[in-house]
Amino acid sequence: GESVGLHLPTLSVQEGDNSIINCAYSNSASDYFIWYKQESGKGPQFIIDIRSNMDKRQGQRVTVLLNKTVKHLSLQIAATQPGDSAVYFCAETNTPGNTPLVFGKGTRLSVIA
Amino acid sequence: GAVVSQHPSRVICKSGTSVKIECRSLDFQATTMFWYRQFPKQSLMLMATSNEGSKATYEQGVEKDKFLINHASLTLSTLTVTSAHPEDSSFYICSAPLRRDEQFFGPGTRLTVL
Repeated sequence: GESVGLHLPTLSVQEGDNSIINCAYSNSASDYFIWYKQESGKGPQFIIDIRSNMDKRQGQRVTVLLNKTVKHLSLQIAATQPGDSAVYFCAETNTPGNTPLVFGKGTRLSVIA
Repeated sequence: GAVVSQHPSRVICKSGTSVKIECRSLDFQATTMFWYRQFPKQSLMLMATSNEGSKATYEQGVEKDKFLINHASLTLSTLTVTSAHPEDSSFYICSAPLRRDEQFFGPGTRLTVL
């Protein structure tokens, strides 16, 4: 289930189940979105990205959905594994390049073996 | 993929001292690097944009005289936390863009000020 703590919401899933992590972004002018995975004590690791001219993009075991109408982004992880346990952040930016990323609040994914 | 390193990975210092954190792009050149700060159980917040050969651009609320940024070469940016205090204890992360929109993050530096 999903719970909201003082800072990071937590999503707990059983190993093998699918996970859905949601993110609401703030800037309607953003045209590039990225999902990052961050393990404890490490920097963010790129998972998958999507541009605003798309509404869905698939990678290996992951799918990102973009709904620009409601400014919502989701990350779906298929067959969640214990190694997927981490904090997941969405990030947004707009072109041209060399612009910094604006990160969402993050969700902690906890996989129960 | 491209590699960004940070040094040190962890540092503990006394209140009032200064600490320098290095961010290096190991296999590519970066005219711009970004510095983020992350407090426990919170998201990454942009502190400043480091520009090679020119002054850094700071986000609102970030003191430029306290967080000194030097981008002296195309592969190195440094962040110096001057007169550090316990409230500066945080996880500092840098990133460098390789191509448009693609940023690579360093492993982070854990700063603890006693």
